Formats: sequence, structure tokens, C-alpha cells
Amino acid sequence: QVQLVQSGSELKKPGASVKISCKASGYTLTDYTIDWLRQAPGQGLEWMGWINTNTGKPTYAQGFRGRFVFSVDSSVNTAFLQISSLKAEDTAVYYCARWQWDDLTGYFNYWGQGTLVTVSS
Amino acid sequence: DIQMTQSPSSLSASIGDTVTITCRASQNINSYLNWYQQKSGKAPNLLIFDASSLQSGVPSRFTGSGSGTEFALTINSLQPEDFATYYCQQGLSGPWTFGQGTKVEVK
Repeated sequence: QVQLVQSGSELKKPGASVKISCKASGYTLTDYTIDWLRQAPGQGLEWMGWINTNTGKPTYAQGFRGRFVFSVDSSVNTAFLQISSLKAEDTAVYYCARWQWDDLTGYFNYWGQGTLVTVSS
Repeated sequence: DIQMTQSPSSLSASIGDTVTITCRASQNINSYLNWYQQKSGKAPNLLIFDASSLQSGVPSRFTGSGSGTEFALTINSLQPEDFATYYCQQGLSGPWTFGQGTKVEVK
């Protein structure tokens, strides 16, 4: 069965970097794009962007350009999110999700379990 | 960007009740509207896609309706496992945007 398994929680100091992994199983990573979403404590869902898992080309939503980097290693069926120069406001749960295209639209039908990143001195 | 507005932000209901959550888009999104359920500490789970199509494995007490700019999620005969937060999401164009969520709580 399809699964996206993310790496564990992280506690980082301001200014540090973090790299979160999202390992796909039950399908070939390069058959679908991977999107990243953020959920700040007590808040709603915010789409960060997506990565073309075939070409490795990322697309970032406004507000996530500069310190956020999406990457993929197809040899291990894994996508990554790296955040640099961490700030307290980056504290959130980060989700990877698989977008399923359905004609002209689509939906997120598989999600990772989420990775909590806490930024605190 | 397309803005999605849900109402209410929260509601209290009892087991067996029928509840309706509404979602409004800032522009016409055809039927390109998805609904997700999120339980505390868990990832969101797809309930409804394309406004009214039930995702495989989702109980039939969940129904979606609407098109254009006005949508609704109805839960018939609310069950204990349905107490959660619900989000709508537009699938017309990127950036994909979500409503702010509706928390369904026990009365």
C-alpha cells in the first residue's frame, strides 16, 4: 500500500538548518509529484510548493522562496525539505503529500505523518 | 490567489446529529473543491474530491455538494470518530489554498 513516511521531530536553534525526509513506499516516487505543506501550531494548512520528482525541479509558493529547498533522491524513493536560517516562526508541523491529478484538477490523497520542527533558543 | 472561507469556525454537536459546513471561494472554481478531515495530532485525510465524489473507504454519511463559489460538507448521523477539524481546498489553480478549518466538537 502507498505510504509516505517522514523523519522524526526536530528541535533546532534560531539560525540553524534542518532537513526533513519523506520516503515513499508502495509506488515509484517519480510517478507522482510531491508537495510540501506547513501547519503552524493551532493554525490551518498552508501549501509551500511542489517538486517534479522526475526532473527535480521545484516550484515554491510565495513566502517560501529563499530559505526553503525541495529536493529528491529517486534512488531511495525519498523527497527532502531543507529549511535554512531557521526562525521561531518556522515552528510548525511539515507535511509531504502526494498530489493526484484528476483531469483538470486534483487532490492530496496520501500524506506523510508530519514532522514537527521546533525552533527555540 | 483564490481565497477560501469556511463557516462556521467551530460548532458543537451531538452523536446522531446532522452537521453542515460551508466553504466559499473568492472566485468560480467549478467543482474543483476537496474536503479533508484532520484529527488531533494526525495528518489530514481526504474525504471528498471534486466537490461531491466520495474518496474510497470514506463512510457514506459524508456528502459534498456545490459548485462555482459555494460548497458544503454534510455529515449525517454524526459518529464519535467524526469529531475533528475539517478543511476545504480549491483545486482550480495554484497556489492550492485551504479554508481556515471548522472544528466539530462534542456538545
